[in-house]
Amino acid sequence: EPEVTQTPSHQVTQMGQEVILRCVPISNHLYFYWYRQILGQKVEFLVSFYNNEISEKSEIFDDQFSVERPDGSNFTLKIRSTKLEDSAMYFCASSETGREGYTFGSGTRLTVV
Amino acid sequence: GEDVEQSLFLSVREGDSSVINCTYTDSSSTYLYWYKQEPGAGLQLLTYIFSNMDMKQDQRLTVLLNKKDKHLSLRIADTQTGDSAIYFCAEHYGNNRLAFGKGNQVVVIP
Repeated sequence: EPEVTQTPSHQVTQMGQEVILRCVPISNHLYFYWYRQILGQKVEFLVSFYNNEISEKSEIFDDQFSVERPDGSNFTLKIRSTKLEDSAMYFCASSETGREGYTFGSGTRLTVV
Repeated sequence: GEDVEQSLFLSVREGDSSVINCTYTDSSSTYLYWYKQEPGAGLQLLTYIFSNMDMKQDQRLTVLLNKKDKHLSLRIADTQTGDSAIYFCAEHYGNNRLAFGKGNQVVVIP
């Protein structure tokens, strides 16, 4: 069964450093997303991406965050200058139509120290 | 913003049925979903229901939707130990985003 692949599974970074989280969505999917889950809290929407541009973003997705689809297969989330409160599990997802459910990756656990 | 509420913990004996409940706020939501998260894993889509339906059955899973009360439930028949996980309901809203509940941990006792 096709799956969304995320790397790395766990990343530890120092506060103020830049991190790039990588995702390979399912190949025929057109919609891509990033969500995050801070430990013990809800899964929160960050951003959706369609047709090579951001289609929607949440209040969390400020100027420190950016997304890119550099080569037609990868979908990346960059955090420019990490803060302690960015520590969370980051999930990538993709969808064929944007409606009938998304396929999520296994997540990247980001720990900012 | 949208608010999806779930109760937090359910313990059930193997072979019994389990029912997980959820309330949502956006009456214009077109799709509602149930996701399962096993320890250390991602979110697995279990099933979804379109808002013009009252019920959807998929093998051991039954989803009931009460649009008037904005209430969604998931019934798992013949619960097995592999069903132990956290279950999230989610509603589709806005252009293209999901709002998740806090999740309901289901523990199946052999």
